[in-house]
Amino acid sequence: DAKTTQPTSMDCAEGRAANLPCNHSTISGNEYVYWYRQIHSQGPQYIIHGLKNNETNEMASLIITEDRKSSTLILPHATLRDTAVYYCIVRSTGTASKLTFGTGTRLQVTL
Amino acid sequence: NAGVTQTPKFRVLKTGQSMTLLCAQDMNHEYMYWYRQDPGMGLRLIHYSVGEGTTAKGEVPDGYNVSRLKKQNFLLGLESAAPSQTSVYFCASSYPSGGTKTGELFFGEGSRLTVL
Repeated sequence: DAKTTQPTSMDCAEGRAANLPCNHSTISGNEYVYWYRQIHSQGPQYIIHGLKNNETNEMASLIITEDRKSSTLILPHATLRDTAVYYCIVRSTGTASKLTFGTGTRLQVTL
Repeated sequence: NAGVTQTPKFRVLKTGQSMTLLCAQDMNHEYMYWYRQDPGMGLRLIHYSVGEGTTAKGEVPDGYNVSRLKKQNFLLGLESAAPSQTSVYFCASSYPSGGTKTGELFFGEGSRLTVL
């Protein structure tokens, strides 16, 4: 599975959009981009995933560049409860696929 | 639904002792995983299983053994605990991705192990 690069930390004001970038320049054609977050010391929580089209769900939007070498997770109206570590992961599908987590981006949402 | 349940949630061991962490899922998932997370670090995969009776090594398998005798359970064993195994252990389960399945992992709440 391809490696990802994320900033170590980011700040965002409550109510504003939080844009979390991720570089995955070695991604291959059958690899998806997944985003998870971990609030405090709880188990990680799935947010969204995509292959090449932009995706949106009730939690966030995922923008993937046309060359698929980077992506951005967007939390449209960040709240204090969105303070967490956000992990960007690329993985291939298949019978033996698994996720490898890096150190992620620590997002701090402030008043 | 209970989802993914880990027991015990906390445990203190002495060096050389053995123990087993139990993970149970009620979502009929084929895949199950064990991760460890050390302070300030991301999750590292220890072992995983793609089905009953099948296990495979992950990124950091040394010092651990696993078994998947039943589809809903995935056991992680430490035969001779070492201080370096002090960590938070997370179990997860998922469907295989593909088709209508997202392949997302569902995690347990974690088991905090301290080895003295």
